Amino acid sequence: DAGVIQSPRHEVTEMGQEVTLRCKPISGHDYLFWYRQTMMRGLELLIYFNNNVPIDDSGMPEDRFSAKMPNASFSTLKIQPSEPRDSAVYFCASSSVVSGSLSYNEQFFGPGTRLTVL
Amino acid sequence: KQEVTQIPAALSVPEGENLVLNCSFTDSAIYNLQWFRQDPGKGLTSLLLIQSSQREQTSGRLNASLDKSSGRSTLYIAASQPGDSATYLCAVELSGYALNFGKGTSLLVTP
Repeated sequence: DAGVIQSPRHEVTEMGQEVTLRCKPISGHDYLFWYRQTMMRGLELLIYFNNNVPIDDSGMPEDRFSAKMPNASFSTLKIQPSEPRDSAVYFCASSSVVSGSLSYNEQFFGPGTRLTVL
Repeated sequence: KQEVTQIPAALSVPEGENLVLNCSFTDSAIYNLQWFRQDPGKGLTSLLLIQSSQREQTSGRLNASLDKSSGRSTLYIAASQPGDSATYLCAVELSGYALNFGKGTSLLVTP
């Protein structure tokens, strides 16, 4: 498997523009997570999906952020309009819960998208 | 809110040394704990996952322990090598499978 795929790897845009980040999870994984990493705040969960359904979006900072998962192999994170404080590395991760006496999920991360908003 | 703290924030050691990275969390009601490695400009690589019922996990030169009652985990790296230089992140799994990350320990192993 190619692992989690994210595109673009780098994005430079101007304030006010719309930005769309894309993610292809590992085939067969039923959980997908979007995280944001900054120097100040570290890694923060933005939103996650289970079977294409958003489960928890409490980490989405503002209404300018939205995420969709139209099918099991694709998700997008959109920022509209973008602002300089949105500059960060955005990671997508996927996992499949291993069920048993105690279930657990091991998350696998993509390479990230480095977003710079001027 | 679960707080995850990693100490030290940065560490520099000569090649060959054994070292310990520390992770503490405020809420002991975690499900699982995962250690990651992050190389500069790269994504995260999963190193070890410790289920809540386990006390430790081992992979090669790496050993991770978990003490839920005290809210602590340690990552032990034996016989460190320059290739181990990276940032090591600890993450606790809360209910619903989301991860709550510490800010990491930046490790430099010098030849």
